[in-house]
Amino acid sequence: AQSVTQPDIHITVSEGASLELRCNYSYGATPYLFWYVQSPGQGLQLLLKYFSGDTLVQGIKGFEAEFKRSQSSFNLRKPSVHWSDAAEYFCAVVSRSGGYQKVTFGTGTKLQVIP
Amino acid sequence: KAGVTQTPRYLIKTRGQQVTLSCSPISGHRSVSWYQQTPGQGLQFLFEYFSETQRNKGNFPGRFSGRQFSNSRSEMNVSTLELGDSALYLCASSRDGQGQETQYFGPGTRLLVL
Repeated sequence: AQSVTQPDIHITVSEGASLELRCNYSYGATPYLFWYVQSPGQGLQLLLKYFSGDTLVQGIKGFEAEFKRSQSSFNLRKPSVHWSDAAEYFCAVVSRSGGYQKVTFGTGTKLQVIP
Repeated sequence: KAGVTQTPRYLIKTRGQQVTLSCSPISGHRSVSWYQQTPGQGLQFLFEYFSETQRNKGNFPGRFSGRQFSNSRSEMNVSTLELGDSALYLCASSRDGQGQETQYFGPGTRLLVL
């Protein structure tokens, strides 16, 4: 069975500092990996996704993530955090089961940005 | 192109009642998935519909059901509501629900059960 672990429930960073959110997955084959962001009271917005190829993927809002198969990780990074980045971030692994998607989300990491 | 819309956005019900939530996917999308989000359990998959058929189902009791219409709009029904059903219910659509596709999420319906 596939699973996703986001070990950090809550992270606080200063505005302008760098950010790394951790995501580890468990899946038998090469997974499809996604990062989503959720602002309070809102739905999820896709930041970036990885299917194959270059292991460093660029997303929206200046985010990037690196797929490391040896570590089963897909960590999200941003070089300089803005106050508007305060939100909850979800990592997800998608597999195909019987020809359709099976999506498993991590428990999320809440990001607080302090001035 | 309009995004995924969900109605109503907020809902208050009492225990034992039933509720129906609606989701209109992005035009051209035929796959609609439903998720329940709670502080304790996080995001949990409820079910997925494609071409009016339920293709995939999570581990929820039979009180949770859904359907999809020919225009791909989907409804989710919860019968005999319990306090623990209070949650944000999110729907997401994609073109065909295949592995590489991005799911686009609606803003959610926040259900409070009293």
